[in-house]
Amino acid sequence: QVQLVESGGGVVQPGRSLRLSCAASFTFSGYAMHWVRQAPGKGLEWVAVISYDGSNLYYADSVKGRFTISRDNSKNTLYLQMNGLRTEDTAVYYCARDSNSGYDFGGDYFDYWGQGTLVTVSS
Amino acid sequence: SYALTQPPSVSVAPGKTARITCGGNNIGTKSVHWYQHKPGQAPVLVIYYDSDRPSGIPERFSGSNSGNTATLTINRVEAGDEADYYCQVWHSNTDHHWVFGGGTKLTVL
Repeated sequence: QVQLVESGGGVVQPGRSLRLSCAASFTFSGYAMHWVRQAPGKGLEWVAVISYDGSNLYYADSVKGRFTISRDNSKNTLYLQMNGLRTEDTAVYYCARDSNSGYDFGGDYFDYWGQGTLVTVSS
Repeated sequence: SYALTQPPSVSVAPGKTARITCGGNNIGTKSVHWYQHKPGQAPVLVIYYDSDRPSGIPERFSGSNSGNTATLTINRVEAGDEADYYCQVWHSNTDHHWVFGGGTKLTVL
């Protein structure tokens, strides 16, 4: 059974940093992984993706240069390092499994999602 | 960038058919995926590659995609189908992006 469990959310002041984690229970090293967020009252927004081996990384323009996605396949864990946080980064952050490995992206979808962790950026 | 347009809300009586549209420029040339999202829960994939259903998703859910519009159809709507529904595509120009529509709130009357 595929499980994804996010952690690390909380309340943080603008400009500060936070690191999210996502623990996975499947053959983690075979799949690309994503972070997707949902701001209060808003829709889903894709944030970042990392390929199965960490060699390919892509970011939404809204977080590029501030957020870093990474993974540790030995620990079956996905990370999102968030620096220079802004109030508009307030959202529930979900990790999601890609339907493919990410060796060559194209037409991919998210086949499993975690329950999410809430990040609130406020002074 | 690539934009997807969904109606904010759709209402339907139990037992009737709900159709949720997703508009995009030549979206018929892309693979469209659909997610169901209930409050406080993880989103769930209900349709992938325009019209395929994951295991465990009822046959009442179907999808189509042509021209500038993709459609999610839910037959014999049940109270438990009430949720937000999102379409999604992968888009690539100089970079890779995964794009969601704005979401449609399905209300079962």
